[in-house]
Amino acid sequence: DIVMTQSPDSLAVSLGERATINCKSSQSVLDSSNNNNYLAWYQQKPGQPPKLLIYWASIRESGVPDRFSGSGSGTDFTLTISSLQAEDVAVYYCQQYYSSPITFGQGTRLENK
Amino acid sequence: QVQLVQSGSELKKPGASVKVSCKASGYTFTGYAMNWVRQAPGQGLEWMGWINTNTGNPTYAQGFTGRFVFSLDTSVSTAYLQISGLKAEDTAVYYCARVSSFNNWFDPWGQGTLVTVSS
Repeated sequence: DIVMTQSPDSLAVSLGERATINCKSSQSVLDSSNNNNYLAWYQQKPGQPPKLLIYWASIRESGVPDRFSGSGSGTDFTLTISSLQAEDVAVYYCQQYYSSPITFGQGTRLENK
Repeated sequence: QVQLVQSGSELKKPGASVKVSCKASGYTFTGYAMNWVRQAPGQGLEWMGWINTNTGNPTYAQGFTGRFVFSLDTSVSTAYLQISGLKAEDTAVYYCARVSSFNNWFDPWGQGTLVTVSS
């Protein structure tokens, strides 16, 4: 199984500041045949289901604000929020869909400092 | 719009069974696999497995074999998760989640169903 490890577990950022969340996979999730990284990011607010933000490691889902961006390749990935807004307070999860079983990171709790 | 609507919260005693439903709308139900994800209280997301909505063939993740059953009723575009022999540790929110049109990220998700197991 591919183990996904996020860092940090929690993060406090002031409004308007940058937030960076890391995700590391125990094996590469890059398919060299198509150069796609099989990595997605989700946002989960209290009492709500997860919401897709990013897929293929860096493609923003339609409707997701452009302050959210994803980067990385192979085993190391980053979700960046360029300027934190109050509504971005949530738990963020990375997910690999490269191989079964599908696995998630443990989550990173993002708070307003 | 594409939507998954799950059944309401359940309170069950240990040893009982529960069946959670996930009704899809806004797309061709049999065209997309359906996944199930568990989230224990205050914990992260755990993939339980998926069901091929075209063939009805289920695949269970390790730890979700035996007491967990995925099923379908394609006539009403609904997927089901049944859990038998409930234990306190089954207390969790259970989500259904459709795969995307292009690969196995999940979008959309159902709103979740809280199953509480308590005597």
